[in-house]
Amino acid sequence: SQKIEQNSEALNIQEGKTATLTCNYTNYSPAYLQWYRQDPGRGPVFLLLIRENEKEKRKERLKVTFDTTLKQSLFHITASQPADSATYLCALVRRSSASKIIFGSGTRLSIRP
Amino acid sequence: DAGITQSPRYKITETGRQVTLMCHQTWSHSYMFWYRQDLGHGLRLIYYSAAADITDKGEVPDGYVVSRSKTENFPLTLESATRSQTSVYFCASSSSGGGGTGELFFGEGSRLTVL
Repeated sequence: SQKIEQNSEALNIQEGKTATLTCNYTNYSPAYLQWYRQDPGRGPVFLLLIRENEKEKRKERLKVTFDTTLKQSLFHITASQPADSATYLCALVRRSSASKIIFGSGTRLSIRP
Repeated sequence: DAGITQSPRYKITETGRQVTLMCHQTWSHSYMFWYRQDLGHGLRLIYYSAAADITDKGEVPDGYVVSRSKTENFPLTLESATRSQTSVYFCASSSSGGGGTGELFFGEGSRLTVL
């Protein structure tokens, strides 16, 4: 079956460290992956995307990698801060059905001071 | 103010009743989406619309009806609510669907409880 998995429900790290979140997919041919942030009681907010022909993308303290061989995307937050605490969702856009964007269940990240 | 708004934010209803969740966006985005979010399942696509009068099913469409007579509005109706439809519903819009950046702009959600 087709699925997209974020393999940590929760991740707790010390402030200042790099947080690394994982998104794995099976049986999809993604055109690209998106990452969103969701705070409690709020809707998700788009952070960045990476296309299938890109290996890495950066935006300020955020970095995303995409390995189509491993079928995996990694999302990094460097110099993490307590304000980075939130749930992070990966979303996959398929070449075959671009409007049906599929989401993972999310990783809840907590940054302790 | 520009944006995407959902109403009501909270709704409690009873099994068998009809419920309509409203979604309105001011960006004139072509694409609009309805997702539901449940613990353990993440966001699942119910229906989406590529333009006015064009709608299509997502992963979990059963029990839901949508319409899109105007570009800015995309209501979601539960014709006969069931307990399994208790969830948080998110509406989203996009200027390009899955093409281009495909960035989705989400509303704040509508929390529905079916007793």
